[in-house]
Amino acid sequence: GAGVSQSPSNKVTEKGKDVELRCDPISGHTALYWYRQRLGQGLEFLIYFQGNSAPDKSGLPSDRFSAERTGESVSTLTIQRTQQEDSAVYLCASREDMNTEAFFGQGTRLTVV
Amino acid sequence: GENVEQHPSTLSVQEGDSAVIKCTYSDSASNYFPWYKQELGKRPQLIIDIRSNVGEKKDQRIAVTLNKTAKHFSLHITETQPEDSAVYFCAASSNAGGTSYGKLTFGQGTILTVHP
Repeated sequence: GAGVSQSPSNKVTEKGKDVELRCDPISGHTALYWYRQRLGQGLEFLIYFQGNSAPDKSGLPSDRFSAERTGESVSTLTIQRTQQEDSAVYLCASREDMNTEAFFGQGTRLTVV
Repeated sequence: GENVEQHPSTLSVQEGDSAVIKCTYSDSASNYFPWYKQELGKRPQLIIDIRSNVGEKKDQRIAVTLNKTAKHFSLHITETQPEDSAVYFCAASSNAGGTSYGKLTFGQGTILTVHP
C-alpha cells in the first residue's frame, strides 16, 4: 500500500507569509509525528498526535507554529509569518502502535527568502 | 521528558572494519529503541529495532544491544561497506503515560563514512 505522503515536496515562500504543509499517514496508523531537520542536522521533534488523545505540542518552537489532525487521517502543519530560520525539511512520520516502526514521508523542503 | 544522547557525531572507518554507535536515554519508562539510516537527500528508514524485553538483536551484519539498567543501547555494524555510509539516528519511544506515551525522541545523529 501507499506510504506516508507529504505535500508539497518543495515550497519557496517570502518572509512573513504563512505556509501550510500536509501529511497523509499510512491508513490505520494512530500515531503521527512532525519533525524539523535543518541542513546537516538531526531530527527536531515538533508535535505528536496519538489517536484521539491531546497532542504533545512540547516541541513547537514558537506560537507561529501550529498543527492539526482530523481523527486518524491527514495532518497539517501551519507556520505563520515565516522567518528565514524556518527554512528546513519538515518530516512527517506515522506508526501503527507504540511498539512498531515509524515510517517517514519524503519531507517538505521549505525555503524562506 | 525523554533525552537521547548519541555518540560519536562522526565516525570514519575502513571498508571491512566494524562500526559502533552508542546512545543513552534518560526515561526509564522507554521500551522501544529503533535505529534509522538516512542517506543524503532521502527519508530516514528503519534498519533495526529492539524492545526492552530483550538484550540483543541481530540482522545479518547489523546488531543492536540494550542495557536497561544503564539506560544505553548501541548499534554494531560489522564488515562495513561503502554503501553503509550515511547518517544513523537512534531513538527511544516512551511508555510513560499522558501525552508523551509513544513519543519518539531521536539522538543527534552519527555521520558514518566507510572508505573503500
